[in-house]
Amino acid sequence: DAKTTQPPSMDCAEGRAANLPCNHSTISGNEYVYWYRQIHSQGPQYIIHGLKNNETNEMASLIITEDRKSSTLILPHATLRDTAVYYCIVKIQGAQKLVFGQGTRLTINP
Amino acid sequence: DGGITQSPKYLFRKEGQNVTLSCEQNLNHDAMYWYRQDPGQGLRLIYYSQIVNDFQKGDIAEGYSVSREKKESFPLTVTSAQKNPTAFYLCASNRGTGGKTQYFGPGTRLLVL
Repeated sequence: DAKTTQPPSMDCAEGRAANLPCNHSTISGNEYVYWYRQIHSQGPQYIIHGLKNNETNEMASLIITEDRKSSTLILPHATLRDTAVYYCIVKIQGAQKLVFGQGTRLTINP
Repeated sequence: DGGITQSPKYLFRKEGQNVTLSCEQNLNHDAMYWYRQDPGQGLRLIYYSQIVNDFQKGDIAEGYSVSREKKESFPLTVTSAQKNPTAFYLCASNRGTGGKTQYFGPGTRLLVL
């Protein structure tokens, strides 16, 4: 079973920052937080992952709380192409299985 | 370009018929995976393989079979024993042990006639 909790849906205006929350209150010390997204009828796309430090790449930023019980994915300047379902996953590094919950359906509005 | 290819994009199956979904990767990844996705749901793991000639059952392996004769290829057969095969099937790969990120193919949508 998925060990994360995400809101089922969110809306964001184009050009604004999209902040997607994720709760993972039972996360273990050796579990990473991963974010993937899935655009309609396509395969999931890796976005970013982190252990305890905040991370940033060309797609997004990941902010993990100090107690690691929650995190936020930030898309700094959302575009219409960012409309997708976003999945937050916790996983031990090297573990074979990704456990997907139902994710957050993010809609970017013009 | 390196990546994962799945074929066909759409596949139709008659009742009682076995069908095989193709997955090929040229990323030189050791590990490969098959997931199933039902409408509005997350992905569920069917089978995975960490190395050639070896594979393990995932959470929903019943009614499916796989083979891993080559590093690049991990075909999935949906047998007649799978009573609800209509779904979106996704193949993924990564570097195996220590490999953090799974890369996904574009998926195959299977429909039962």
